[in-house]
Amino acid sequence: EAGVAQSPRYKIIEKRQSVAFWCNPISGHATLYWYQQILGQGPKLLIQFQNNGVVDDSQLPKDRFSAERLKGVDSTLKIQPAKLEDSAVYLCASSLDGAGDQETQYFGPGTRLLVL
Amino acid sequence: QQPVQSPQAVILREGEDAVINCSSSKALYSVHWYRQKHGEAPVFLMILLKGGEQKGHDKISASFNEKKQQSSLYLTASQLSYSGTYFCGTAPSNDYKLSFGAGTTVTVRA
Repeated sequence: EAGVAQSPRYKIIEKRQSVAFWCNPISGHATLYWYQQILGQGPKLLIQFQNNGVVDDSQLPKDRFSAERLKGVDSTLKIQPAKLEDSAVYLCASSLDGAGDQETQYFGPGTRLLVL
Repeated sequence: QQPVQSPQAVILREGEDAVINCSSSKALYSVHWYRQKHGEAPVFLMILLKGGEQKGHDKISASFNEKKQQSSLYLTASQLSYSGTYFCGTAPSNDYKLSFGAGTTVTVRA
């Protein structure tokens, strides 16, 4: 079974530029998550999708971050304009639409963003 | 609210045991444990559900004390491959929304 795919793996941009990350979840997984992981910290949830609808985006800085999952499969996360403090690893995860053990989240390799 | 993990770091020799704790100020529905090696994605270890049993995975096991809102991860007879940062993720309900702790870095030396 293929895992969660993300691209690009690395990105270096200057502040005020824009950047986009792509995620393709595990086939059949209805729920998709975007996390931000700053060096030395645990992942912080930015946004959660159930199919193509947003379940939770309470921690997404909406003035500069946006995300979409138009067909309920792959997703993009965009930052515009980027700030220095956005330097982090952006992790995508997916899980089955279920309860109990099916809520296990599987993570992709992440995109490491450096804002200069 | 982010759970609190302790200790922040631990250094072990091969074959030694360790315990990592995860505490929450809120009632919990589930606790998820992950291990992340440097530069890699977090890898799922196990999930403990409210009312469920203690879980085990090879020589790594975990318990969940619902009354104390705590979970502990036990590394038994540690191996070099156990090195990494261990994160607990907690969910107050079955809405799959996890809050992760800051992590515990485990270093196992030969």
